Amino acid sequence: GAVVSQHPSWVICKSGTSVKIECRSLDFQATTMFWYRQFPKQSLMLMATSNEGSKATYEQGVEKDKFLINHASLTLSTLTVTSAHPEDSSFYICSARDSREQYFGPGTRLTVT
Amino acid sequence: AQSVTQPDIHITVSEGASLELRCNYSYGATPYLFWYVQSPGQGLQLLLKYFSGDTLVQGIKGFEAEFKRSQSSFNLRKPSVHWSDAAEYFCAVGSWGKLQFGAGTQVVVTP
Repeated sequence: GAVVSQHPSWVICKSGTSVKIECRSLDFQATTMFWYRQFPKQSLMLMATSNEGSKATYEQGVEKDKFLINHASLTLSTLTVTSAHPEDSSFYICSARDSREQYFGPGTRLTVT
Repeated sequence: AQSVTQPDIHITVSEGASLELRCNYSYGATPYLFWYVQSPGQGLQLLLKYFSGDTLVQGIKGFEAEFKRSQSSFNLRKPSVHWSDAAEYFCAVGSWGKLQFGAGTQVVVTP
């Protein structure tokens, strides 16, 4: 099946700094990519939907100025957590869709100290 | 509003025994229903999906699920579990991308 990769797989940063997470569709072109957040022992919550070349659509309650999403190409979307705080610590999962199915990346563990 | 409930947070099953994971949903229209499995270090993998048609759906890894509209349920089953089936399982409802996930069920397989 299609593969979605994320980089880095885990990152630790200091409070107040920004962190960028990359999501790539390795063997297909994804016109739409999605970013989810998963808290420990909880479900995935959709944060935003991004289409290549256009602005992301954020779900209600998600701060668009804190979570910057760029979908610059058909194989790459990035999520930047700006001015990170400990409450932003979480597991971030991206997903990419082709015409048949939706594929998920392995996730990025973010810890803000 | 759509929602998904997985009543069982944690299930322990013996290897070789049968497994059933429950999922109940609330959705305004005919739902698209999905079951995903999440293993540590790996992305969510689609086990099976239901869009329409036959209410008994066959998936990968020997899993199947049955859609019961009258009960608003989409339970996942496997006749005989293997140690490699130990993972977190998520039921989801919605359309591609705009998925509403349940809280997940952690499956532990004992020898």
